[in-house]
Amino acid sequence: GQSLEQPSEVTAVEGAIVQINCTYQTSGFNGLFWYQQHAGEAPTFLSYNVLDGLEEKGRFSSFLSRSKGYSYLLLKELQMKDSASYLCASLDSNYQLIWGAGTKLIIKP
Amino acid sequence: DVKVTQSSRYLVKRTGEKVFLECVQDMDHENMFWYRQDPGLGLRLIYFSYDVKMKEKGDIPEGYSVSREKKERFSLILESASTNQTSMYLCASSSGTTDYNEQFFGPGTRLTVL
Repeated sequence: GQSLEQPSEVTAVEGAIVQINCTYQTSGFNGLFWYQQHAGEAPTFLSYNVLDGLEEKGRFSSFLSRSKGYSYLLLKELQMKDSASYLCASLDSNYQLIWGAGTKLIIKP
Repeated sequence: DVKVTQSSRYLVKRTGEKVFLECVQDMDHENMFWYRQDPGLGLRLIYFSYDVKMKEKGDIPEGYSVSREKKERFSLILESASTNQTSMYLCASSSGTTDYNEQFFGPGTRLTVL
């Protein structure tokens, strides 16, 4: 079957660095997305990786290892506004998105 | 700015009622999607459409139908609402290219079926 696994909750301190992991198992692979979703709001796009390696975008970076079926989202210099759920999603061979359940990031001052 | 709008943010309906959820996008996107989001389960695809008057079943189509009469509008219909359809419903759209195409989401409709 197809599945994505990510921790349900991660806690970090304001100003610190946090890594949110996602492992995937899908039929075919055409890339991995990360979305951010604040409580009560729509998910918004953060990143897309299809090749191995790290993609940096300001305070946010996303890493992919296709051979390991693994991705992570790295958030630096955490701010309170980064408190949200982070969703990973894999694009399968039919170009359908398969979603993880999301990781709730709690940031403490 | 891409804008996806949904007809209601909150909706309360009774068991057995027919429910219409409307979604409109203003970016001339070919693809439109309906998901439901439940705690601990992530987003699950109900139906999607790659073109006007075209529809495809997603992972959980039972109890739902859709309509796409115009490119910008994609409606989700609950033929006879049941309590297990209480959920957050999210509409999304994306452009029609076959490589990666970012999905843009509407604000969601929180539906409660009593």
